[in-house]
Amino acid sequence: NAGVTQTPKFQVLKTGQSMTLQCAQDMNHNSMYWYRQDPGMGLRLIYYSASEGTTDKGEVPNGYNVSRLNKREFSLRLESAAPSQTSVYFCASSARGTGNEQFFGPGTRLTVL
Amino acid sequence: AQRVTQPEKLLSVFKGAPVELKCNYSYSGSPELFWYVQYSRQRLQLLLRHISRESIKGFTADLNKGETSFHLKKPFAQEEDSAMYYCALIGAGNMLTFGGGTRLMVKP
Repeated sequence: NAGVTQTPKFQVLKTGQSMTLQCAQDMNHNSMYWYRQDPGMGLRLIYYSASEGTTDKGEVPNGYNVSRLNKREFSLRLESAAPSQTSVYFCASSARGTGNEQFFGPGTRLTVL
Repeated sequence: AQRVTQPEKLLSVFKGAPVELKCNYSYSGSPELFWYVQYSRQRLQLLLRHISRESIKGFTADLNKGETSFHLKKPFAQEEDSAMYYCALIGAGNMLTFGGGTRLMVKP
């Protein structure tokens, strides 16, 4: 059981470039989430997917898009990266909505130059 | 709007000393509160939640609705408790809102 996996672990982009962060879970969880972690600001929710086929905006969705490809996979896309998107990105999943424990991936450290 | 505040960015104590990590929240309804922990080179993981009223690794946290607080306490800190601790709240929209985190350092 790998739990929640994320790729890549590290990425450096130039301003304006695009990329997709991948996330997969093998726990048969219904809900999946993308957060960004910035120093002193904790984790902020970017987007979440309560169940397969649905996605909703979180606290800081601007500049991002998501795709819930199937029950296992939830990707985050930056269409035109900006330096303000330099952060550590975490994917998480939970069995039924946010009331249940969330299980986190190892994170992706993204730097936008 | 819901908000979680952890006033201390860094808390440094000696081994064996009591620890209290502060968490204050603002939310107009009945919140559900959690403490998450991230040890060095490990993933963020749930430590405890207020509805369980349990003690995990010697830590407890009591929800004080009058003071809108959910402080995390341990009577005797251990070096392995050194980590980043996040208080979090579920409120409106069923979304989890995190505080800014407190780094706990336990010195030998």
